[in-house]
Amino acid sequence: DAGVTQSPTHLIKTRGQQVTLRCSPKSGHDTVSWYQQALGQGPQFIFQYYEEEERQRGNFPDRFSGHQFPNYSSELNVNALLLGDSALYLCASSAGARYGYTFGSGTRLTVV
Amino acid sequence: AQTVTQSQPEMSVQEAETVTLSCTYDTSESNYYLFWYKQPPSRQMILVIRQEAYKQQNATENRFSVNFQKAAKSFSLKISDSQLGDTAMYFCAFRAIYNFNKFYFGSGTKLNVKP
Repeated sequence: DAGVTQSPTHLIKTRGQQVTLRCSPKSGHDTVSWYQQALGQGPQFIFQYYEEEERQRGNFPDRFSGHQFPNYSSELNVNALLLGDSALYLCASSAGARYGYTFGSGTRLTVV
Repeated sequence: AQTVTQSQPEMSVQEAETVTLSCTYDTSESNYYLFWYKQPPSRQMILVIRQEAYKQQNATENRFSVNFQKAAKSFSLKISDSQLGDTAMYFCAFRAIYNFNKFYFGSGTKLNVKP
């Protein structure tokens, strides 16, 4: 049973560019959350998607946007990349927001 | 707003010994969950143990146990018989039961288990 799958595992972007990160939730899960983990810090909540809608958002600018598809997979888009966007981006899925979450191994984004 | 504080950036323990990681939190919520997650070099967050705030009994999972002090808003993790595979970052996390959409994480404790 595949867990949460994230792609790519690593990528390097130039300041000002745009990036799309992808997440496939665990089988049977319909809720996807995204977190940003800066180096040496704990993860910070970006937003959560359920039924293809953004249900809650953390304290992140509008440069961060997302999407959920009918198959429950999700994308995180970041526009106008800043050096400070360099971080590990984690995806977590659950079968409904109140149940247990499974985390993926993340995408390491480096902005140069 | 919820905050989670881990005041020990790094700790070391000898293999087979016991170590305790500390965590304090602040919240106005009355019903919530507390968690300890392990993040090895593979980067995946792995659930170690979970505690429901309305349960007075401390949670235990094999070699892992917690000391939950609700009035003091303290939630420490005890690892007994430490193993080399326990080497990882450990994060304390909070999630409200009625606002269950997001976790609040502490800044983590790097645990090194030495042979």
